[in-house]
Amino acid sequence: EAGVAQSPRYKIIEKRQSVAFWCNPISGHATLYWYQQILGQGPKLLIQFQNNGVVDDSQLPKDRFSAERLKGVDSTLKIQPAKLEDSAVYLCASSPAFDRGPGATEAFFGQGTRLTVV
Amino acid sequence: DAKTTQPPSMDCAEGRAANLPCNHSTISGNEYVYWYRQIHSQGPQYIIHGLKNNETNEMASLIITEDRKSSTLILPHATLRDTAVYYCIVRGYNRKLIWGLGTSLAVNP
Repeated sequence: EAGVAQSPRYKIIEKRQSVAFWCNPISGHATLYWYQQILGQGPKLLIQFQNNGVVDDSQLPKDRFSAERLKGVDSTLKIQPAKLEDSAVYLCASSPAFDRGPGATEAFFGQGTRLTVV
Repeated sequence: DAKTTQPPSMDCAEGRAANLPCNHSTISGNEYVYWYRQIHSQGPQYIIHGLKNNETNEMASLIITEDRKSSTLILPHATLRDTAVYYCIVRGYNRKLIWGLGTSLAVNP
């Protein structure tokens, strides 16, 4: 079974520039997550999709971050304009189902995109 | 959402059991305990989860105390490839995984 694919693996940009990350979840997985992981910290959920609808984006800085999941499969996360504090690893994860209860699902993660804003 | 407390780091000798503790004293009755690990430069990997009973799979065992206020992840025969950061997470009321800082486990030869 192919895993969660993310690209690019690394990206270096200057502050105020724009950047986009791409994620292809495991085939058939309805739920897709984007996480931000700052060095030395645990992942922080930015946005969660169920198929192509947003379930939770309460921690997404909407003035500069946007995400979409067209057709309920691939997803892109965009930052515009980037700030120095956006330097982090951006992780995409997917899980097969959503509402089977809190004990029912596990998330499968991609390798992440390491963003450095200079 | 219930929070978890883990020691920042632990060491273990290769071939011995690694016992990683987690405190979740504010856990509520319908919240599950999840464990993930993250090997350097990789995405997190699911290990195991449980509600009340002890659980075991091919990777690890999860022991949850009777009052559910703490748990222990057991890697029965640690190898060098088990060196990673281990996260204990309580799945919140809104089913969001709230990640802490985890325990950095070093398995030594």
